[in-house]
Amino acid sequence: EIVLTQSPGTLSLSPGERATLSCRASQSVSSNYLAWYQQKPGQAPRLLIYGASSRATGIPDRFSGSGSGTDFTLTISGLEPEDFAVYYCQQYGSSRFTFGPGTKVDIK
Amino acid sequence: QVQLQESGPGLVKPSETLSLTCSVSGDSIGTYYWSWIRQPPGKGLEWIGHIYYSGSTNYNPSLKSRVTILVDTSKNQFSLKLNSVTAADTAVYFCARMVVVVSGPLFDYWGQGTLVTVSS
Repeated sequence: EIVLTQSPGTLSLSPGERATLSCRASQSVSSNYLAWYQQKPGQAPRLLIYGASSRATGIPDRFSGSGSGTDFTLTISGLEPEDFAVYYCQQYGSSRFTFGPGTKVDIK
Repeated sequence: QVQLQESGPGLVKPSETLSLTCSVSGDSIGTYYWSWIRQPPGKGLEWIGHIYYSGSTNYNPSLKSRVTILVDTSKNQFSLKLNSVTAADTAVYFCARMVVVVSGPLFDYWGQGTLVTVSS
């Protein structure tokens, strides 16, 4: 099983600042099958990024994904008030999905 | 617009079977894959398994011995059964549509989630 580790656990930033979230895998992620989701309290997760760097439909271009192999990054170029949430990375490999523990982005 | 809605009991006794149904609208269930994912209160996400409209399934190995996912194409629904539940199975249960694209499989539409508590 591929284990995903996310850092930091919590990121305290102000609106307008740049957020950089890390996701590290215990083994290389197959074909960069790495996705990112945003979750707000009481809501279902929302797909942001898939294939490590492709934005999902309707996702603003301030969200970008990068990385390959075992190291991946989600960058939010300028935080909007609605971006304060928890972010999860997810990988698919060996016919199973695993999620990271999440990074909470909160208001400083 | 694709919509998914979970339904089922919010309280299940220990050792009994948790049963949930996901109703799909705005899309035929005879396309894509359909998944269950859960989230214990205050914790992260755990993939339970998925099913294709043909009935083929894939389960999380950690839950495989207790999980059954079925599809009912006539009702455009799929279901989850988790037997021998314990307090550790208390979670919000989400159903989701899984799409396989060139860049990999992903969950693009989700239900709102339903809290299931295991308690006597």
